[in-house]
Amino acid sequence: DAMVIQNPRYQVTQFGKPVTLSCSQTLNHNVMYWYQQKSSQAPKLLFHYYDKDFNNEADTPDNFQSRRPNTSFCFLDIRSPGLGDAAMYLCATSEAGLADRQFFGPGTRLTVL
Amino acid sequence: TQLLEQSPQFLSIQEGENLTVYCNSSSVFSSLQWYRQEPGEGPVLLVTVVTGGEVKKLKRLTFQFGDARKDSSLHITAAQTGDTGLYLCAGQMTTDSWGKLQFGAGTQVVVTP
Repeated sequence: DAMVIQNPRYQVTQFGKPVTLSCSQTLNHNVMYWYQQKSSQAPKLLFHYYDKDFNNEADTPDNFQSRRPNTSFCFLDIRSPGLGDAAMYLCATSEAGLADRQFFGPGTRLTVL
Repeated sequence: TQLLEQSPQFLSIQEGENLTVYCNSSSVFSSLQWYRQEPGEGPVLLVTVVTGGEVKKLKRLTFQFGDARKDSSLHITAAQTGDTGLYLCAGQMTTDSWGKLQFGAGTQVVVTP
């Protein structure tokens, strides 16, 4: 089945210790998104890729970076996680021009100790 | 400030009862989506509505898009325990060049046996 896969599902890191979350997709979609979702809140878009073009949201902290080495994979790097970065991180994909039909992965729950 | 306001924030009902969840905005959306998110999982797209006044049915779920494309509702008939989850509305604003989705904060629905 075509899908969006996120690894790991649960990640524990220490305050200030860099962490990388990964996302892969078999849908062959042009666009990939990273969202941060805190408890009882709406998903918040961090950035998205249109093919290799990177688009950062204005309020995304510099602490968050992303890489997309190819169509299938996208990574979220948190350089120095703070306690406030503990959240669910969601990866999503869509076809170009169809941002209203996004397919989400299961998410990675990040805990910062 | 959320562009999309969902109400109620939390709803607990018994199996067999009906429920309605609302998603309101002062902005116009070119399309509006409803997602259901279960604990520890990513949101799953239920429906997309694009035409003002549109009504879509998905088994026991009925979705309506307001005539002015500023609001939407989700009605569940004869709720089942499997309907438990966080219901998120999301909209694509007409002014966005590439179609960023704006999410509501969600309505947590709990259906008890």
